[in-house]
Order: sequence, then C-alpha cells, then structure tokens
Amino acid sequence: GQSLEQPSEVTAVEGAIVQINCTYQTSGFYGLSWYQQHDGGAPTFLSYNGLDGLEETGRFSSFLSRSDSYGYLLLQELQMKDSASYFCAVLHTGGFKTIFGAGTRLFVKA
Amino acid sequence: NAGVTQTPKFRILKIGQSMTLQCTQDMNHNYMYWYRQDPGMGLKLIYYSVGAGITDKGEVPNGYNVSRSTTEDFPLRLELAAPSQTSVYFCASSGLGWDTGELFFGEGSRLTVL
Repeated sequence: GQSLEQPSEVTAVEGAIVQINCTYQTSGFYGLSWYQQHDGGAPTFLSYNGLDGLEETGRFSSFLSRSDSYGYLLLQELQMKDSASYFCAVLHTGGFKTIFGAGTRLFVKA
Repeated sequence: NAGVTQTPKFRILKIGQSMTLQCTQDMNHNYMYWYRQDPGMGLKLIYYSVGAGITDKGEVPNGYNVSRSTTEDFPLRLELAAPSQTSVYFCASSGLGWDTGELFFGEGSRLTVL
C-alpha cells in the first residue's frame, strides 16, 4: 500500500517561519511535490524534490530525505496570504501518477 | 494561454443520472489526470492517462469511466450518479518534463448529486 502523513493544522504568526512535515510509505517512489490550495481554488504547484536535499524558490523551500521517507516544506517571512492548505504529493514511477496527502491547513495570524 | 479547461463548473444531478465532465488542455501534455476532492480532504486520483489511447485506474475508479482519444481531451464519465459522488472534480495535466513534478490544474467542476 501507500500512505502520506502530514499534520492536519499549523498556526503561525505573520513574519515567522513554519515547517510542514510529510512522511510517506510507498513503492515506486520517484519524487515529492508540494502544492498550495486556497479555499475554493485549484491546487497550484510550489516545489518538487527528485533528489535528496533542499530546493529553494523564493520564500518557499522544500527538503527530501529518501532514506528517511521524509520531506518538508519551509515557508519563510509568512504573510497573511499564505493562509491556505498545503499538500505533499508523491510522484510514482508506475504510470507517473501523483498521489496526494490529506493536506495541512495553515493559519497565519497577525 | 488557456492551460487546462474544465466544463461545466457547476452541475446538479439526480440519483441515477449520468453525465460527462469535459477536460481539455492546450499545452500538448502527454499525461492527464482526474482527481476528486471532498470537503476538507485531499485529492484522490480517479483515473489517469499517459497518452492518447492509454488510461489506467487510480485510487478511486469505481463509478467512473474515462477515454483518451486525443492528446488534448480527457473526459470523465459518471454512470448512475450516487450521492457519494458529490465532490469537486479536478482535471490536471503534465508535460514531457513530468519529472519536474508539476501538475497543471483546471479550475474544478463542482458536482452535487441529490
């Protein structure tokens, strides 16, 4: 089988740094992606890790450790507009399908 | 550039009715996907396609069918609609550089079955 685990909710203060963790159990792992989704909207791509290590894109960074089956999304200099749901997603070698976690709801407070 | 276009955006069905959700993309992507998202939940993969003429089941395929006759179009068919199929449906596509991990999503189709 396959599973992805991420916290259901995280709360942080504007201007702070927050880390959202994701652990996975799956066969045929190829890479780990992160998506943001605002209420009523479609998911939008944030970052992808195909190799171990850190990927940085502006205020967002993502990390992957294949040996630990673990990754995280790091959001810096939090803004109110970052309040949204964040999903980790595993990209599989079998058919190139992408399987999503249940999502983490981020609340940013002033 | 339109990207991924889904129609209709909203639909109400009666139990037992059938309908097709349309999805088309203009990015010449080989890979296309259908997901459903229930309120407060993650996205569940229904079906996916790696190219014209090739489709495969995802996590929750029961009650749905798909076809992929062209690269651009990937319609999702609901047969004998049930209340459990009330959800938001997202179509997505990914290009030859799929190993970048990026899926491009449509705006979603909100379906209610009463």
